[in-house]
Amino acid sequence: AQSVTQPDIHITVSEGASLELRCNYSYGATPYLFWYVQSPGQGLQLLLKYFSGDTLVQGIKGFEAEFKRSQSSFNLRKPSVHWSDAAEYFCAVGSLSSNTGKLIFGQGTTLQVKP
Amino acid sequence: DGGITQSPKYLFRKEGQNVTLSCEQNLNHDAMYWYRQDPGQGLRLIYYSQIVNDFQKGDIAEGYSVSREKKESFPLTVTSAQKNPTAFYLCASSDPGLAVNEQFFGPGTRLTVL
Repeated sequence: AQSVTQPDIHITVSEGASLELRCNYSYGATPYLFWYVQSPGQGLQLLLKYFSGDTLVQGIKGFEAEFKRSQSSFNLRKPSVHWSDAAEYFCAVGSLSSNTGKLIFGQGTTLQVKP
Repeated sequence: DGGITQSPKYLFRKEGQNVTLSCEQNLNHDAMYWYRQDPGQGLRLIYYSQIVNDFQKGDIAEGYSVSREKKESFPLTVTSAQKNPTAFYLCASSDPGLAVNEQFFGPGTRLTVL
């Protein structure tokens, strides 16, 4: 069955420290991968996406993610976290072969930033 | 500005009542989706529609109904059959012809059953 796993439910980092949020997927077809961010009580905003090509993708707000097919992972990174990055982060996967446009979302990781 | 609007932002319902959540988009997207979000459970798909006058059940459709009479509108009705409707509801849209599977989200509606 198709699935997305975000192993860390909650992460706390100090402001200025580096960040890595983990995402693992199980998908038979070539995956299309996404990271979204959600501030409390708000909708989701796309940070970045991977469809093909360079496995290191750059997104908004200084985020990047690396697709590793051998590890079925798509981890999100940021070299220096700002207090405004505190939010919930969702990894999602979709596929052309599904022909539905549906995405499967992970459970989310809540990021807390310490001053 | 193009985008997705959801109304109302907050909705209170008495037990036994049906309520309808509005979702409108001016992005000219063909596909629209409804998700339910509960703490610690991520996003769960309720219904989706790939084209006007057609829609399919998602993973948790019981107790919900939708319609897609216009391309820009995809209202969700939470019926009295939904056992635990208190949640945050998110609407999204996508245009597979432009960027496959990328979904754009509205700001959400928080439904509380009193």
